[in-house]
Amino acid sequence: DTAVSQTPKYLVTQMGNDKSIKCEQNLGHDTMYWYKQDSKKFLKIMFSYNNKELIINETVPNRFSPKSPDKAHLNLHINSLELGDSAVYFCASSPTGLALNEQFFGPGTRLTVL
Amino acid sequence: AQSVSQHNHHVILSEAASLELGCNYSYGGTVNLFWYVQYPGQHLQLLLKYFSGDPLVKGIKGFEAEFIKSKFSFNLRKPSVQWSDTAEYFCAVNALGGYNKLIFGAGTRLAVHP
Repeated sequence: DTAVSQTPKYLVTQMGNDKSIKCEQNLGHDTMYWYKQDSKKFLKIMFSYNNKELIINETVPNRFSPKSPDKAHLNLHINSLELGDSAVYFCASSPTGLALNEQFFGPGTRLTVL
Repeated sequence: AQSVSQHNHHVILSEAASLELGCNYSYGGTVNLFWYVQYPGQHLQLLLKYFSGDPLVKGIKGFEAEFIKSKFSFNLRKPSVQWSDTAEYFCAVNALGGYNKLIFGAGTRLAVHP
């Protein structure tokens, strides 16, 4: 059984388009995260939601908007895509975001903006 | 600001050689420390973690890491590498006092030649 799943796995799109990436976890965790891995493999956190409430919001352009309809889902919507948005986006979850604990990662979504 | 440094960006070894990957972090308080591995084209997998207790931590696939608080280090070791260990290795830390936010190092690309 997949613990943290993401769709789609690959996403190729044109500059200026709007796209969404979906993430679901079946671990019963309260907290979910989005990380971005750039072309140099550097991983950086973008957002985190704890029980549908935004708790971490790093310096990310307003074109990126996370949405958490319930604590098992965290989607990432990106408006007006730019070349620099090309990256692998990883979703993760953890039992809570309010204390230190392990995060479990999804398989990643490779976004290519042409 | 918290940061994680991985000194070796690219390591090339022959099979059966010993491995040590360096990781240093900059935070004076209580931390949790992690090593993740990313095999080519795959998602992040947890190799091992340190929360508290014995500073020598054993993980999967024969890996271990030692937490040396006085040196702010958490180096990863394996006595004898295999070709299948070829991957990208990431050190990460999250720190007490903030939300459960993982700060990653830049990663070390390990290539093991048969």
